[in-house]
Amino acid sequence: GAVVSQHPSWVICKSGTSVKIECRSLDFQATTMFWYRQFPKQSLMLMATSNEGSKATYEQGVEKDKFLINHASLTLSTLTVTSAHPEDSSFYICSVPGVGNYEQYFGPGTRLTVT
Amino acid sequence: TQLLEQSPQFLSIQEGENLTVYCNSSSVFSSLQWYRQEPGEGPVLLVTVVTGGEVKKLKRLTFQFGDARKDSSLHITAAQPGDTGLYLCAGAIQTSYGKLTFGQGTILTVHP
Repeated sequence: GAVVSQHPSWVICKSGTSVKIECRSLDFQATTMFWYRQFPKQSLMLMATSNEGSKATYEQGVEKDKFLINHASLTLSTLTVTSAHPEDSSFYICSVPGVGNYEQYFGPGTRLTVT
Repeated sequence: TQLLEQSPQFLSIQEGENLTVYCNSSSVFSSLQWYRQEPGEGPVLLVTVVTGGEVKKLKRLTFQFGDARKDSSLHITAAQPGDTGLYLCAGAIQTSYGKLTFGQGTILTVHP
């Protein structure tokens, strides 16, 4: 399966600032990546589908102007949380789809804390 | 909208006990995956099942896909403390452009 990295692994920022999270596919070229959000002891919630060379597709209820996604290359997608607020504090995870049976390979996640 | 109902949500057992986690849906899936996640880490793929009635074994873990491809189960034999974690089922359909529908997750705690 694909090897996926995320950076940073954790970040603390002040309310009102913006934070960028990187997702890299280390051994697989990915035209599509997925961004998820996860609250403690809960399942994953899909935020958006990142598409290389085109606009991201956002899930219903996710503000595209707040969560900016850029998929500039086949190995890198970025999620920028703009004007972060404490309620944006969460665990953000990206994934890369595998070939064939629709499994996904996940990054290690990024813990965002907004103070 | 496809939904996957996963149960139980919490499971706390003693080492050596057996357990089963279920995922049920009214939708038919092309494939179904099971993932395990530890705190502070991303989910790790355990298995993918694609054929109705399929059974796969991974050491003490047995995965089954329902005949109609609407449900799946994960059975763990002789659970160990190292099995502790969040278990997630996720289903895919061909028209979903790679998106997965996740169950609510099962938090398993195995006490020594």
